[in-house]
Amino acid sequence: DQQVKQNSPSLSVQEGRISILNCDYTNSMFDYFLWYKKYPAEGPTFLISISSIKDKNEDGRFTVFLNKSAKHLSLHIVPSQPGDSAVYFCAASDSWGKLQFGAGTQVVVTP
Amino acid sequence: NAGVMQNPRHLVRRRGQEARLRCSPMKGHSHVYWYRQLPEEGLKFMVYLQKENIIDESGMPKERFSAEFPKEGPSILRIQQVVRGDSAAYFCASSIQRQTDTQYFGPGTRLTVL
Repeated sequence: DQQVKQNSPSLSVQEGRISILNCDYTNSMFDYFLWYKKYPAEGPTFLISISSIKDKNEDGRFTVFLNKSAKHLSLHIVPSQPGDSAVYFCAASDSWGKLQFGAGTQVVVTP
Repeated sequence: NAGVMQNPRHLVRRRGQEARLRCSPMKGHSHVYWYRQLPEEGLKFMVYLQKENIIDESGMPKERFSAEFPKEGPSILRIQQVVRGDSAAYFCASSIQRQTDTQYFGPGTRLTVL
C-alpha cells in the first residue's frame, strides 16, 4: 500500500532553469513532510521539510509547497545546478515518526 | 560533529549465514530508525528504536530479523539465515526526538547474499 507517490520517475532540466518535483500522499494523518536527495552508494541527505500547519517553506534555492486539501507537495529548485543531479525522495511522517518514502525521482541537470 | 555511522559499508554473506549491521547515531540522538531499499525501489521503514526499547517494528519481517539498541553501544540489525531476497541497502537514521524532527541518515550497508 503505497501511501506516498512520486509519479515522475525522472526529470531532465537545463542548468539555470527551475526543477519542479511532485509528490502525492493518501494518508491524512501525515503531519510532517521532508525531501531528501540521494547520490548512488550514499545515504539520503536531508534537504528541506515542512510541517502540516504551513503551506510553504523556503531554504536558499529550495522551496517546498504543501497543499493539504489536495494531499500534494512539491519541491522547487531554482536555479538548477549540475550538482543537483541525483535521486530525490519525498517522505511523510505521522505522529509516530516513521517515514514513508516515495519511489524517487531521478533529476538530471544538463548544461 | 560526526554524522550517523554505519558499518560495514558492504557485507557479503552466503545463504543461511547471519548478517549483523551496526549503526551509531549522531551525538545527542536517542532515536534510531532502520530502513531497507530493495533494488529499483524507495526506502521502506523497518523498525524504530530508542535506547533499550523497540517502539515500532511494524515494517520488519516477523522471522529471521531482529533489532536492538542497547544502553551502551550501537544499534544492531540482525538477519539470521539470510536468503537472496535479503540483498538490499540497509540504512539507519537517527533523530533527537521522534515526530516532527528531521531524521539524518547514515551511508548505508549494502548486503549481498550469494
